[in-house]
Amino acid sequence: QKEVEQDPGPLSVPEGAIVSLNCTYSNSAFQYFMWYRQYSRKGPELLMYTYSSGNKEDGRFTAQVDKSSKYISLFIRDSQPSDSATYLCASPTGAGSYQLTFGKGTKLSVIP
Amino acid sequence: SAVISQKPSRDICQRGTSLTIQCQVDSQVTMMFWYRQQPGQSLTLIATANQGSEATYESGFVIDKFPISRPNLTFSTLTVSNMSPEDSSIYLCSVEIPGGGNQPQHFGDGTRLSIL
Repeated sequence: QKEVEQDPGPLSVPEGAIVSLNCTYSNSAFQYFMWYRQYSRKGPELLMYTYSSGNKEDGRFTAQVDKSSKYISLFIRDSQPSDSATYLCASPTGAGSYQLTFGKGTKLSVIP
Repeated sequence: SAVISQKPSRDICQRGTSLTIQCQVDSQVTMMFWYRQQPGQSLTLIATANQGSEATYESGFVIDKFPISRPNLTFSTLTVSNMSPEDSSIYLCSVEIPGGGNQPQHFGDGTRLSIL
């Protein structure tokens, strides 16, 4: 079993929709979670990161972590065509580790 | 965040040759990392490059194939040696911005490498 699982999509939604992107992880040592956005032919861009369970909000984006079920989510409200990208979840392998374990990414298209 | 520049942005190379990829950061950073992103696969860490010491390689990656230099706190190179078509991939440099504890990594735009 991969340590971070992510549905690769593609996911296509109409403009203005609420988008839910999800990852599951298997390693209980994961304590710290990140979401990256990657546009075509660009490097991953950090969107959000969180240390703990619960929600963290930043504008139209909300990151949610449920450590009891090892489930992390990214919600995008009022989705825009400019949100069309691949979204990657990631976590350091363990406390103090610099090695990030990534999901394969979910490709999102927001249709005008 | 930091501005991270990678050169070249893309290249097409012949089998058996080597290519050196450069990563330049606009501020001093302690930790620099090299990743590989193959089509349909997760980003995979190749090695961690620390200034003044040998790079630390992850399982499955060796120095002879991927030699790394880190001459100062703003620059690193990754060489892909004796290339084969299986090395066709995107190679990404990332840095950890100093701040104490776990800090998120920031990425360059990558080098898209195709081997004929």
